[in-house]
Amino acid sequence: AQSVAQPEDQVNVAEGNPLTVKCTYSVSGNPYLFWYVQYPNRGLQFLLKYITGDNLVKGSYGFEAEFNKSQTSFHLKKPSALVSDSALYFCAVRAFNQAGTALIFGKGTTLSVSS
Amino acid sequence: DARVTQTPRDKVTEMGQEVTMRCQPILGHNTVFWYRQTMMQGLELLAYFRNRAPLDDSGMPKDRFSAEMPDATLATLKIQPSEPRDSAVYFCASGLVGSGDNEQFFGPGTRLTVL
Repeated sequence: AQSVAQPEDQVNVAEGNPLTVKCTYSVSGNPYLFWYVQYPNRGLQFLLKYITGDNLVKGSYGFEAEFNKSQTSFHLKKPSALVSDSALYFCAVRAFNQAGTALIFGKGTTLSVSS
Repeated sequence: DARVTQTPRDKVTEMGQEVTMRCQPILGHNTVFWYRQTMMQGLELLAYFRNRAPLDDSGMPKDRFSAEMPDATLATLKIQPSEPRDSAVYFCASGLVGSGDNEQFFGPGTRLTVL
């Protein structure tokens, strides 16, 4: 079965420190992987994606993610966290079924950056 | 700039009443998704359409939920009759599948409260 796991419900970091939000996936075939961010009372916003090519993907707001095929992971990273990065982050993988394609989202990880 | 719009933003209703949520996808997008977000279940895919045809509605309770796309600029999600357990935030998203990726653009959501 195709799935996405975000093992941490919450990640706490101090402003200026590096942050990592973890994601692992299980999918048949080549994975298409995504990160989205959700701010309070808002819809999800696209951050970045991995389709093919370089394992390190750069996205919006200084975020990047590293695709690791052997570990089936796609962790989200940022070298220096900002208080404004505090939000709910979702990892997603493209899923295939007989009807078509859609995204499967993880449960989400709440990132809290303290000043 | 182009964005997905949803109406109403908030809806409070009583159990047993019909609820209709509307979504206007981004012009030119060929795929529309309906999601439900709750604290307990996270983000669940309810249904999605491609070129206005329903592709997958396996995530939707069939007895009370229905999703339609009367035209390319309008998608609707109806609940009849509504129940307190339907209380959630309902998101619509649109995308251009077939362009090589599955990036989705989310609307601001409809917060539904069923008393």
